[in-house]
Amino acid sequence: SQQGEEDPQALSIQEGENATMNCSYKTSINNLQWYRQNSGRGLVHLILIRSNEREKHSGRLRVTLDTSKKSSSLLITASRAADTASYFCATALNTGGFKTIFGAGTRLFVKA
Amino acid sequence: DAGVIQSPRHEVTEMGQEVTLRCKPISGHDYLFWYRQTMMRGLELLIYFNNNVPIDDSGMPEDRFSAKMPNASFSTLKIQPSEPRDSAVYFCASSFGSRVGGYTFGSGTRLTVV
Repeated sequence: SQQGEEDPQALSIQEGENATMNCSYKTSINNLQWYRQNSGRGLVHLILIRSNEREKHSGRLRVTLDTSKKSSSLLITASRAADTASYFCATALNTGGFKTIFGAGTRLFVKA
Repeated sequence: DAGVIQSPRHEVTEMGQEVTLRCKPISGHDYLFWYRQTMMRGLELLIYFNNNVPIDDSGMPEDRFSAKMPNASFSTLKIQPSEPRDSAVYFCASSFGSRVGGYTFGSGTRLTVV
């Protein structure tokens, strides 16, 4: 099964509301990344948080990491219709290589 | 920089034919990754290179798949012979350094094998 698993699988909210997506993983990681994918496009890197960090911000994005629970969350504040996309967490395994495993993603739909 | 460039954007081929996907990474990036995305299996890492050398190809599904990186600015993923179950979107991504930042993805090649 996937190293990273997002929750929920799909999320529908109104413009202006906050969107929270969660990611759980199984093995020790070096870092965790979040990506966005618009329909038919490639993935766009949003933010990276290292295993020794607990929280990170970038604009309207806030990412938390709890290594004891092997989980992370992505919060998008004041969502916009343009935030409609799939969001993936990706974990860089702490196994000496440079292997990054992607979860199945959360499909976010923001209604205008 | 134009970003990671993949070609072709779309490929339709008949079962049994050879397919070659191409990727030009961002200049200066020393890691290159090939991923495959399907509805059933999501994003799967197929192989990655560091300084043109294949480091981990454990994700390559079968011997029908091969990847090369003859120089720092070009990589190919070849499928020979192709099968309908190879239909997917294939992404190339590159990055600089080890675990410093995220990956830059190309727009992908949508492969359909009929």
